[in-house]
Amino acid sequence: EVQLLESGGGLVQPGGSLRLSCAASGFTFSSYAMSWVRQAPGKGLEWVSTISTSTYYADSVKGRFTISRDHSKNTLYLQMNSLRAEDTAVYYCAKDLGRGEPYFDYWGQGTLVTVSS
Amino acid sequence: QSALTQPASVSGSPGQSITISCTGTSSDVGGYNYVSWYQQHPGKAPKLMIYEVSNRPSGVSNRFSGSKSGNTASLTISGLQAEDEADYYCCSSTSSITRVFGGGTKVTVL
Repeated sequence: EVQLLESGGGLVQPGGSLRLSCAASGFTFSSYAMSWVRQAPGKGLEWVSTISTSTYYADSVKGRFTISRDHSKNTLYLQMNSLRAEDTAVYYCAKDLGRGEPYFDYWGQGTLVTVSS
Repeated sequence: QSALTQPASVSGSPGQSITISCTGTSSDVGGYNYVSWYQQHPGKAPKLMIYEVSNRPSGVSNRFSGSKSGNTASLTISGLQAEDEADYYCCSSTSSITRVFGGGTKVTVL
């Protein structure tokens, strides 16, 4: 059974940093692109970043966020720096359906990041 | 990376059919068949309902169908049921190899 478990969320001051983790199990982690998607309170979904053989970022986080993965630990990361109030959201990690299939077929339950002084 | 355009809300009575539109540009929806749809109930993670414009993952009811014409993709729910009341989001890959979601549509079953 595929499982994705996010952690690392919390309250951080504007300008601060936070690292999110997503522990994956139930599939061959190294074979799939992985992504972060966020949802601000009461708002819609926003794609944040994807990692496959390369990394890709939304303009809103480019230069501030870094996506990475550790195949030995089956874990996806999102390093978030220079955080702003508008980064407040539930952050989901999601797995792609397959190689060349950019669809999110499994999602974690999300971790809440609150940026506030 | 502008969000795809969806109606804010759509409603229908049980048993009816409804259609949600998702309008983008030739750089996303119109340029590729990498369109997917997600259902999200309150407080829950999204669920993949349609991928590659019109394909249903295993376990998704055949009451859900997808299509595309030009820069607009559509999700149709036939035989509307109370459990279909949720938020629905479209998503497309883009020419920049990024991904973009629609703003979301709240479906209400009257």
